[in-house]
Amino acid sequence: GENVEQHPSTLSVQEGDSAVIKCTYSDSASNYFPWYKQELGKRPQLIIDIRSNVGEKKDQRIAVTLNKTAKHFSLHITETQPEDSAVYFCAASIQKLVFGQGTRLTINP
Amino acid sequence: DVKVTQSSRYLVKRTGEKVFLECVQDMDHENMFWYRQDPGLGLRLIYFSYDVKMKEKGDIPEGYSVSREKKERFSLILESASTNQTSMYLCASSPQFAMPGANVLTFGAGSRLTVL
Repeated sequence: GENVEQHPSTLSVQEGDSAVIKCTYSDSASNYFPWYKQELGKRPQLIIDIRSNVGEKKDQRIAVTLNKTAKHFSLHITETQPEDSAVYFCAASIQKLVFGQGTRLTINP
Repeated sequence: DVKVTQSSRYLVKRTGEKVFLECVQDMDHENMFWYRQDPGLGLRLIYFSYDVKMKEKGDIPEGYSVSREKKERFSLILESASTNQTSMYLCASSPQFAMPGANVLTFGAGSRLTVL
């Protein structure tokens, strides 16, 4: 079955700097790659997703890139703000989602 | 406008007890899922259901069972709770596979279970 590896497990950046979280997947048939954000004490919520026919997608300060050949995808957050502090999960799927281990992002003021 | 509701936010049970975790969604979604969340392990799929009375094992089904008697309700059952089942349990739902938005999960708030 699908296996998703996510790095780093923790990430600390200065406010205003950029943050990058990377994931690799094992099943080349996976065609959907979402990113979920979970703030402390809250439920995970979808922030951005990308399908396998697209290489990059951007939504304001967040962007996701996909390299199908290498089977990896990344989340980029620019101009980080304190409210970006959260745990971020990547996932890959054909039908059911398989999640990565999560990255705890801390934005330092 | 809570759309996926988990009946218990916090539970404390004793080893060997039978535990029911209930989840109800009001979005008329066909798919429902139970995940377990542990630090450093991410979200791991226990069971999922794509229709009433249908169920499929996820990645870690051992020690769990599920029930889906109605479309809106998906229950997770621990027949005999053990300490290694202490965790946060998240329910989620999504539209039917192959439909627009089918992969987009709406999560419940979670049920934190402690087994003593």
